[in-house]
Amino acid sequence: QKEVEQDPGPLSVPEGAIVSLNCTYSNSAFQYFMWYRQYSRKGPELLMYTYSSGNKEDGRFTAQVDKSSKYISLFIRDSQPSDSATYLCAMSALQGAQKLVFGQGTRLTINP
Amino acid sequence: GAVVSQHPSRVICKSGTSVKIECRSLDFQATTMFWYRQFPKQSLMLMATSNEGSKATYEQGVEKDKFLINHASLTLSTLTVTSAHPEDSSFYICSARRTVSGNTIYFGEGSWLTVV
Repeated sequence: QKEVEQDPGPLSVPEGAIVSLNCTYSNSAFQYFMWYRQYSRKGPELLMYTYSSGNKEDGRFTAQVDKSSKYISLFIRDSQPSDSATYLCAMSALQGAQKLVFGQGTRLTINP
Repeated sequence: GAVVSQHPSRVICKSGTSVKIECRSLDFQATTMFWYRQFPKQSLMLMATSNEGSKATYEQGVEKDKFLINHASLTLSTLTVTSAHPEDSSFYICSARRTVSGNTIYFGEGSWLTVV
């Protein structure tokens, strides 16, 4: 079993829809949770950074962490074609968020 | 915001030669940098952790003599792929840890290596 599980998709939704992306994990020691967006042939771009459980909102993006269920989510509201990318969840048990463990990434397409 | 730069973005080399990839943190000091490898449609796999002024820590299964890492300054880490073979062709990505304001990790743009 992988430490972090993420459905690779692909996921295709119409413009304006709410997108829900999820990851599950098995290591209860994970404390730091991140979501990255990666466009084709580019490096990952940090979207959200969360420590421990709870919600965090930044513009159209909301990250949720449920440590009791070992489940994290990223919601994208009012999705736009420019949001089309691969979204990677990442997490770490170490202080300083070192040695990130990544999910496989979900390929998302927003259709105009 | 923080910026991490990688160079070259694309490189083609002949089998048996060595190629060096640079990773620079442009507006912050990074005592720790990380090197990842990513195959098409797959996630990032950590290769090694690069620590300024000391030897890199390699993940299990990564050949330290083949993938040489040097972190000579607080803003620069290099990955040298020695005696490259076609199976080394991949997308190599570095990241740097910014210790100020939350220990956030920022990624470079990646370097495409093709060994022919």
